[in-house]
Formats: sequence, C-alpha cells, structure tokens
Amino acid sequence: SQTIHQWPATLVQPVGSPLSLECTVEGTSNPNLYWYRQAAGRGLQLLFYSVGIGQISSEVPQNLSASRPQDRQFILSSKKLLLSDSGFYLCALYTGVEQYFGPGTRLTVT
Amino acid sequence: ELKVEQNPLFLSMQEGKNYTIYCNYSTTSDRLYWYRQDPGKSLESLFVLLSNGAVKQEGRLMASLDTKARLSTLHITAAVHDLSATYFCAAEQGNLIFGKGTKLSVKP
Repeated sequence: SQTIHQWPATLVQPVGSPLSLECTVEGTSNPNLYWYRQAAGRGLQLLFYSVGIGQISSEVPQNLSASRPQDRQFILSSKKLLLSDSGFYLCALYTGVEQYFGPGTRLTVT
Repeated sequence: ELKVEQNPLFLSMQEGKNYTIYCNYSTTSDRLYWYRQDPGKSLESLFVLLSNGAVKQEGRLMASLDTKARLSTLHITAAVHDLSATYFCAAEQGNLIFGKGTKLSVKP
C-alpha cells in the first residue's frame, strides 16, 4: 500500500523568507502527485499537480512553485513568503482509483 | 467548469439521530469521492463511487450516487459523537474538485 510522508510537520516562518516543503511517497511508482492548500476553516485549493518527473502543472498563479526531481519526490517552494501563504499544505497521490492525502504541513507566516 | 456544492455547511446533530449531507455537482463527472477530516488532521478517504446507483456503506455512514441528478448523498444513521468531523465530497474531472465541506458536530 502507498505511504505519503511530508516534512516538516509544522513550520513558522517570517514574511519574506524562503520556503521548501517536501513530499515523498512509497509503495508506488510513477504516481500523479498533488499539492493542496487549506486556509484555516476553509476548503481545499489545488496548487500544483505532476504526472511525472519534471512535469508540473500550476492551477493558481502565485508566489509558489513546485518541482519533481525524482519519481517519488514532490517539493513546494517559495522565494519570499507572504502572510497569505499561511495554511495547511497537503500532498496527495492518485492511484488511478483513489486519491490519498499525506499528513500535511502546517505553515504559519508571521 | 465543474463546480461542487455541499449542503449544509454546518450541521449540529444529537446522538442517535439520522441526517443526510448533500453534494451536487454541475457537470458530468466520472467519480465521486467522500473524505473525512478531523480538526488539525489530514483527509481520510471514506468512499469512492464509480457509477450511477452506486451505494457504499461503512458503519453508520452510507454514500450513494445519482449521476443523472448529479447528486451524491452521505447518510448518517444513529449519529455518535465520534462522527464529529468535517466531511468533504469531491467530483472528478481530470483533477478532483472539492466542495467546501460540511462541519458535523454530534452532541450527546
């Protein structure tokens, strides 16, 4: 079965600082991978998805970027964080039948 | 463009009562998903409904899909406190499109 790891679990960063969130998956190969953001008390916003190494599709224009350097690794980055970047960041993978979510990273921008 | 609407957005129930959460979607979708989210936690997959008339049950939760009406329901039977959580439905059109979620609170 698939396992999704996200690192770090929580993060507090000042405005203007850089960001790097990591997602790694096990138990599957060549998965579709996704980054979602959930603002406090809100629904899910799809940020990026990837169907393979080096292939990134952006759903929302913003100061975030994503990369997929390896088949089972998906990274979310920012050069300069904004207050509005605070939220719960979820990595997900799609098996062809179901979409599973990782444990999430809670980011607070101060 | 596929849009997904859930109602109600907030639901306060008494233990032992039954209730239904509704999920409407605007255009054809291949599949319908239901997820549960506990406070501060990630999303847990509950059901995947693949075809018209599909019905799935797990414990006190039962989900159904009517593709002609573009409607899925999540029925809660004899609610217990442990079911308190936020429930999301999502329809698939390439990627998953999520509803805003229904925050369920079950009170003794």
